[in-house]
Amino acid sequence: DQQVKQNSPSLSVQEGRISILNCDYTNSMFDYFLWYKKYPAEGPTFLISISSIKDKNEDGRFTVFLNKSAKHLSLHIVPSQPGDSAVYFCAASEEGAQKLVFGQGTRLTINP
Amino acid sequence: DTAVSQTPKYLVTQMGNDKSIKCEQNLGHDTMYWYKQDSKKFLKIMFSYNNKELIINETVPNRFSPKSPDKAHLNLHINSLELGDSAVYFCASSPRGSGANVLTFGAGSRLTVL
Repeated sequence: DQQVKQNSPSLSVQEGRISILNCDYTNSMFDYFLWYKKYPAEGPTFLISISSIKDKNEDGRFTVFLNKSAKHLSLHIVPSQPGDSAVYFCAASEEGAQKLVFGQGTRLTINP
Repeated sequence: DTAVSQTPKYLVTQMGNDKSIKCEQNLGHDTMYWYKQDSKKFLKIMFSYNNKELIINETVPNRFSPKSPDKAHLNLHINSLELGDSAVYFCASSPRGSGANVLTFGAGSRLTVL
């Protein structure tokens, strides 16, 4: 039973436009959510996070939105750049759980 | 200077063999993890160690045995390898008190069992 799901395996966006990556979760005990970015042959790297007490967190071109009632979060990248092409993983954790639960990733391709 | 380093990066071996993957972190973190990325691309936690003490074992078969000689190292030994063990194994670390909120990952070790 996958508690974190990213239902879009891939997404293609034109350079300069907005990229929106989605993530759904089922565990209502999750209270912290993160996005990781992964390039080929590298490990995932932390991108941005949000606590369940917030509904939005922004860092430069990256904004994460959390809708707790829908158990849904999204990552917005604007404007999208070619270097943003990567696999993006959504992850979540429960307070004190000492582990992250990951989705299966969405491959984002930014076209020039 | 690599923060979390794993060796080997690639490993190809026959069914039934025993193999090890090593991990070292130079971040001064207290907690280290092993994650497995399977064919369906999910990253799933296998083990977590906090300052050499096992704190998470996610129903991994006994053929997998982690060992943490000190808090900077977490090695993974796998006995009697099976086809289903083929995957990418990621080591990670996090600071004490952060829960698992921000992990720093190694580049991964791709294991192929023939």
